[in-house]
Amino acid sequence: AQKITQTQPGMFVQEKEAVTLDCTYDTSDQSYGLFWYKQPSSGEMIFLIYQGSYDEQNATEGRYSLNFQKARKSANLVISASQLGDSAMYFCAMREGPGGADGLTFGKGTHLIIQP
Amino acid sequence: DTGVSQDPRHKITKRGQNVTFRCDPISEHNRLYWYRQTLGQGPEFLTYFQNEAQLEKSRLLSDRFSAERPKGSFSTLEIQRTEQGDSAMYLCASSRQVRTDTQYFGPGTRLTVL
Repeated sequence: AQKITQTQPGMFVQEKEAVTLDCTYDTSDQSYGLFWYKQPSSGEMIFLIYQGSYDEQNATEGRYSLNFQKARKSANLVISASQLGDSAMYFCAMREGPGGADGLTFGKGTHLIIQP
Repeated sequence: DTGVSQDPRHKITKRGQNVTFRCDPISEHNRLYWYRQTLGQGPEFLTYFQNEAQLEKSRLLSDRFSAERPKGSFSTLEIQRTEQGDSAMYLCASSRQVRTDTQYFGPGTRLTVL
């Protein structure tokens, strides 16, 4: 079974609209971390937001927020007031366990295109 | 902060040749990771260093691949006897051993094996 599932291969959104990118995860660990990264066409992975499994509040970073529903094992990224520069691939990733030893497991990504 | 840097950015080689990539992490980061990303996929974990110790290797890391981090600073990833299936983007990331352990990625090295 896939550990990170992103069900939206591609999305088209009008500029200034809010957009929600879906992510579900699968782990039996109690301690884990969830991350979202943005990858523009240039290729670099840009960190956006982090949510720890024990964090009670949903994470927010500027226009980005993470809708964390632990019982449903979902960690959706919400981008408010989308901009043309938000067009990119977006990856959800998980770190299992409290440490960093196993690296991150990534989903297949969602290609977001913002239309003027 | 100076970000993670990788060199070269692009490498074209012929099948059977050896290639070596370099990664310089963010200076105060003691953890370093290598990933491989093929077209249309998310990055896949290859290996992880804490300081100079290589603590984890994915089964994706065949015997032709070797990574080092000799002084706990920069790291190299070598691929021997390259095959066409090795064509991919090789990404390096680093992190500091704190609660979030957020990994920051470099620009990657795109390898093309002809």
